[in-house]
Amino acid sequence: DVKVTQSSRYLVKRTGEKVFLECVQDMDHENMFWYRQDPGLGLRLIYFSYDVKMKEKGDIPEGYSVSREKKERFSLILESASTNQTSMYLCASNPLGGGGETQYFGPGTRLLVL
Amino acid sequence: AQKVTQAQTEISVVEKEDVTLDCVYETRDTTYYLFWYKQPPSGELVFLIRRNSFDEQNEISGRYSWNFQKSTSSFNFTITASQVVDSAVYFCALSPNNAGNMLTFGGGTRLMVKP
Repeated sequence: DVKVTQSSRYLVKRTGEKVFLECVQDMDHENMFWYRQDPGLGLRLIYFSYDVKMKEKGDIPEGYSVSREKKERFSLILESASTNQTSMYLCASNPLGGGGETQYFGPGTRLLVL
Repeated sequence: AQKVTQAQTEISVVEKEDVTLDCVYETRDTTYYLFWYKQPPSGELVFLIRRNSFDEQNEISGRYSWNFQKSTSSFNFTITASQVVDSAVYFCALSPNNAGNMLTFGGGTRLMVKP
């Protein structure tokens, strides 16, 4: 079974804090993704990575950065958290494949920024 | 640009009713993939089905069935004899046929099945 884990289920942070969200997958997948989920908007892609130290911006990268130092781990960083970053954050991974590979998701992190 | 629309934001049914969740998509790609995911209250997205654009056969898996119609750009999902455990948010998603494997999600449909 594919296993994607996220470091926290719930986080409460203060405005201006630096926040790290960690994601680990155990299936040797090349691709990893970070999404945020907001009511009515579905999931929106923040960043993705197709290899170690590689990253690509998604649809809403502003205010976020990422790090992928090891294949199995993909970190999302909020350099200076703001209240509008209160959201559900979901990590996913899939193999490189030739296209349309299924993404497997972690349990999500609910972040509240006060 | 790709787009997925799930016009039904919330549906409420009584147990044992059949329910159909609509999904309409837009893409310029000739080859693409469509997905449905279920998000129960626990939060994790659970993969339900993947369908490529060349396979228009309908699919049935137990109480679940999917109707893919390329002519209307729709990929609808039907639950037969719904159960309380089917209560969740359901997402339809679209992926182009490239190695990026990125997904474009619809806004989701919250299904509530009442006993």
